[in-house]
Amino acid sequence: DAGVIQSPRHEVTEMGQEVTLRCKPISGHNSLFWYRQTMMRGLELLIYFNNNVPIDDSGMPEDRFSAKMPNASFSTLKIQPSEPRDSAVYFCASSLSTSPLHFGNGTRLTVT
Amino acid sequence: QQPVQSPQAVILREGEDAVINCSSSKALYSVHWYRQKHGEAPVFLMILLKGGEQKGHEKISASFNEKKQQSSLYLTASQLSYSGTYFCGTEEGSGNTGKLIFGQGTTLQVKP
Repeated sequence: DAGVIQSPRHEVTEMGQEVTLRCKPISGHNSLFWYRQTMMRGLELLIYFNNNVPIDDSGMPEDRFSAKMPNASFSTLKIQPSEPRDSAVYFCASSLSTSPLHFGNGTRLTVT
Repeated sequence: QQPVQSPQAVILREGEDAVINCSSSKALYSVHWYRQKHGEAPVFLMILLKGGEQKGHEKISASFNEKKQQSSLYLTASQLSYSGTYFCGTEEGSGNTGKLIFGQGTTLQVKP
């Protein structure tokens, strides 16, 4: 089992640029979650999908953020345009129904 | 509603015990506990479902009082490997969503 795979591991970009984060969940898992972690706000849930359908996006901070899950094995989180306050570690996690969350290694985003 | 964890930080000597508390203002279906080491992803420790059960994993155990919407994590005879940040994640209402809201975390440092 390869676990949840996220790419890239690190992303440095300039303010105003588009950023796309990628996630491959564990095969067979039907729920996928995007979290953002900062020192100030901790682990925040941004959005989650069940069977590829977005269920709750109330945590998405602004319209600059969007997420898609075109199929069961791939999801993206896009920020356009990016701002310095978006700098954080973004985690993707997957689970089967209500089983424990399995987190990816995260993407550390720095927006200058 | 983000659960509240206490204390924010704990420093122990090897072999000492610690208790980490997690409290919510919402009715809870389940409480999950995770540990995160610096620069790594959170790793699942245990789930507690409503029913007031207590679970154990070696020298780490936890309890869940659904009436008080509180959970506690007990670490006995701490080891150096226990160092890290502990998060509780709460699932509200009737459950079956897998959606977890995480507390701010408790940083545990175990010294030789």
